[in-house]
Amino acid sequence: ETGVTQSPTHLIKTRGQQVTLRCSSQSGHNTVSWYQQALGQGPQFIFQYYREEENGRGNFPPRFSGLQFPNYSSELNVNALELDDSALYLCASSTGQGRGGYTFGSGTRLTVV
Amino acid sequence: KQEVTQIPAALSVPEGENLVLNCSFTDSAIYNLQWFRQDPGKGLTSLLLIQSSQREQTSGRLNASLDKSSGRSTLYIAASQPGDSATYLCAVRPGGGSEKLVFGKGTKLTVNP
Repeated sequence: ETGVTQSPTHLIKTRGQQVTLRCSSQSGHNTVSWYQQALGQGPQFIFQYYREEENGRGNFPPRFSGLQFPNYSSELNVNALELDDSALYLCASSTGQGRGGYTFGSGTRLTVV
Repeated sequence: KQEVTQIPAALSVPEGENLVLNCSFTDSAIYNLQWFRQDPGKGLTSLLLIQSSQREQTSGRLNASLDKSSGRSTLYIAASQPGDSATYLCAVRPGGGSEKLVFGKGTKLTVNP
């Protein structure tokens, strides 16, 4: 059973640029959620995808967008990067919209300069 | 709005000590509660998942309890080891069809040899 895989592990971008982060869900999981974790804080919910549709969103602006593919992998896209977007981005997968708990990946560390 | 608080923010103990980490949440209408471990700069590792109908869960030296009516959960670690040093995060999944997890800021545990 493979776990949740995220790529890349680290990324440095310039303010104003766009970035795409990728996540492969755990085998058998059909739900993917994305979280942003600033230094010293708990993760904050960005959005969730279930069967390729967004079905929940946190307090993040529209420049944060996502996709889920037929194989349940997912992308997080962030446009017009700001310095405050620097954080650890975590992907989590689950079955049945989280009833059995969530499995998290190792995260992507994004630094915006 | 569901809020999760973890006390203490940091804890340092000698090896071998039994310890308790606390988590409180403001709205008792939760679907489940999950405890995670996070090593520095890494992703989250799930430790224990407690459904709203359960009172406790155990895994090895870890025991988590849930008192939904009082909005509290505790994580008990027996016979602590230096390898237990990490940040421990508590997360609740609110009821009412919410898909997100709401996290506390975590307790940073240091176990000294």
